[in-house]
Amino acid sequence: ETGVTQSPTHLIKTRGQQVTLRCSSQSGHNTVSWYQQALGQGPQFIFQYYREEENGRGNFPPRFSGLQFPNYSSELNVNALELDDSALYLCASSLSGRTTDTQYFGPGTRLTVL
Amino acid sequence: GESVGLHLPTLSVQEGDNSIINCAYSNSASDYFIWYKQESGKGPQFIIDIRSNMDKRQGQRVTVLLNKTVKHLSLQIAATQPGDSAVYFCAENPGYSSASKIIFGSGTRLSIRP
Repeated sequence: ETGVTQSPTHLIKTRGQQVTLRCSSQSGHNTVSWYQQALGQGPQFIFQYYREEENGRGNFPPRFSGLQFPNYSSELNVNALELDDSALYLCASSLSGRTTDTQYFGPGTRLTVL
Repeated sequence: GESVGLHLPTLSVQEGDNSIINCAYSNSASDYFIWYKQESGKGPQFIIDIRSNMDKRQGQRVTVLLNKTVKHLSLQIAATQPGDSAVYFCAENPGYSSASKIIFGSGTRLSIRP
């Protein structure tokens, strides 16, 4: 176990709704990255938060947004859900935002959009 | 472009034999490479990493080889066990952004024959 926790485990939403996913980072880690993993594919980088600031973003639209809190836990918010947003959402924590810091993944939240 | 690919989508290995999973990357500027293992229903689990200034690194039963000339990465698993059954992802960090953005390949499924 990595010590990274995510909630909820599973979630079902309908198109157009909004969703908030949560992640608690491993103790001592100040950086959280979020990834989207579609079925049968590798995870795709959404964005990273380092010390409460967004520290880089992948090719995702603005309706994907996030927050990081003073305790370094993080939220991923997705507005105006689309069917293609159905995926496993993974968060990973790392010691800092350095490129060579190992990222430790949580178990993920399975989001289904109907 | 940004891509990390794998030569084989599935690999079947006899229990006790060695497994070799191959991966090609396209970004010659990438300076950090990681192998992750993902079991069904779980998040990716860090296995081993290697920096671009190395060509080989060994862990417990695993070895990663990096050939920068042909932009090729491989993961060798010694004495493969049933618990090694999973999808294996190679990943790279291009290092050109401020974020520790990991680019994952599509994965290789390793299955173990008894």
